[in-house]
Amino acid sequence: DAGVIQSPRHEVTEMGQEVTLRCKPISGHNSLFWYRQTMMRGLELLIYFNNNVPIDDSGMPEDRFSAKMPNASFSTLKIQPSEPRDSAVYFCASTGDGDGAFFGQGTRLTVV
Amino acid sequence: SQQGEEDPQALSIQEGENATMNCSYKTSINNLQWYRQNSGRGLVHLILIRSNEREKHSGRLRVTLDTSKKSSSLLITASRAADTASYFCATDKGSYKLIFGSGTRLLVRP
Repeated sequence: DAGVIQSPRHEVTEMGQEVTLRCKPISGHNSLFWYRQTMMRGLELLIYFNNNVPIDDSGMPEDRFSAKMPNASFSTLKIQPSEPRDSAVYFCASTGDGDGAFFGQGTRLTVV
Repeated sequence: SQQGEEDPQALSIQEGENATMNCSYKTSINNLQWYRQNSGRGLVHLILIRSNEREKHSGRLRVTLDTSKKSSSLLITASRAADTASYFCATDKGSYKLIFGSGTRLLVRP
């Protein structure tokens, strides 16, 4: 398996634009997580899905953020409209049995 | 909110020395996990210790867990320059939801 795949690896966008981050979890994993990492706040859990259903989205910072998991092999995190303070590295991770999460390489988002 | 807090925030040692990092958490857990993150990369799972375990080994890694003190430690023996990275603890209360601490930056000098 190629691991958790995220795209794009880097994204630079202007304030106000819509940004969509994509994630393909490891095949067979039924839990998927979106994290955001910044120097100031560290690793923050934004939302997590189990069997494609959002279980906990209490970490989603604002209504500008939304996440979907239409099937077991794909998830998106959307920011609309984007703001400079959304600049961060966004990680997707998946786990099958809870015995450790596998992380993607992350998407470095810069909003100018 | 963060569940785990690592100590120290940064650690610099000579190659060959042992490195010890500590993690404290606030609420009861199902298991505690340690991850490594190299600069600019994703996190890599190192080891998991369950709440009914006190010590676990994996290669040069040794993890201890004290649930009465709500703390864990990660020991890396005979460190190498390649061990230079940030190390995070993460707690799981049983729902697979992982909450990460703020991390320890380890520098191993050749």
